[in-house]
Amino acid sequence: DTAVSQTPKYLVTQMGNDKSIKCEQNLGHDTMYWYKQDSKKFLKIMFSYNNKELIINETVPNRFSPKSPDKAHLNLHINSLELGDSAVYFCASSQKGLILYNEQFFGPGTRLTVL
Amino acid sequence: AQSVTQLDSQVPVFEEAPVELRCNYSSSVSVYLFWYVQYPNQGLQLLLKYLSGSTLVKGINGFEAEFNKSQTSFHLRKPSVHISDTAEYFCAVILYNAGGTSYGKLTFGQGTILTVHP
Repeated sequence: DTAVSQTPKYLVTQMGNDKSIKCEQNLGHDTMYWYKQDSKKFLKIMFSYNNKELIINETVPNRFSPKSPDKAHLNLHINSLELGDSAVYFCASSQKGLILYNEQFFGPGTRLTVL
Repeated sequence: AQSVTQLDSQVPVFEEAPVELRCNYSSSVSVYLFWYVQYPNQGLQLLLKYLSGSTLVKGINGFEAEFNKSQTSFHLRKPSVHISDTAEYFCAVILYNAGGTSYGKLTFGQGTILTVHP
């Protein structure tokens, strides 16, 4: 069974479109994250939710809106896609993110290409 | 503020040779330190982590790293590499305060591509 899964694995779309990436974890973790890996492989955190509550919100355009319907899911919706949004987006989860450290488990990534 | 610097963007090495991937960090408070590996077209996998205690930590696949507080470094080493070790390696830190709260915010270095040649 996949611990952290993301759909779709690949997403190719036109500029200006709205798209969503879904993430689910079956580890029973409380905390989930979204990371963006750009074309130079630089990884940066975007958001983090702990038990459906937003706890980390980096400087990300408000075209990006995370949604956590329950603690096992953290979806990423992107409005008005731009060329610069092309990247690989990774979802991750950890048991608790607020207290000390717990290992983050990463999903396989979603490669988004904006044409 | 915290930052992580991986000093080498690419490291080519021959099979069975030793390798060291360098990582330095800057932070005025305590940190947790990690190394992740990313195989081609895959997600990140934790290799090893330093939270506290012994400064020499051992991870999976024969890798180890040493935390050097005075030099603010956390270099990754393997005494003998295999072709299957070819991947990109990321050093990362989590900042935590005196109360122990960290919010789990991983900050990554730029990555080092390790290429093992036969």
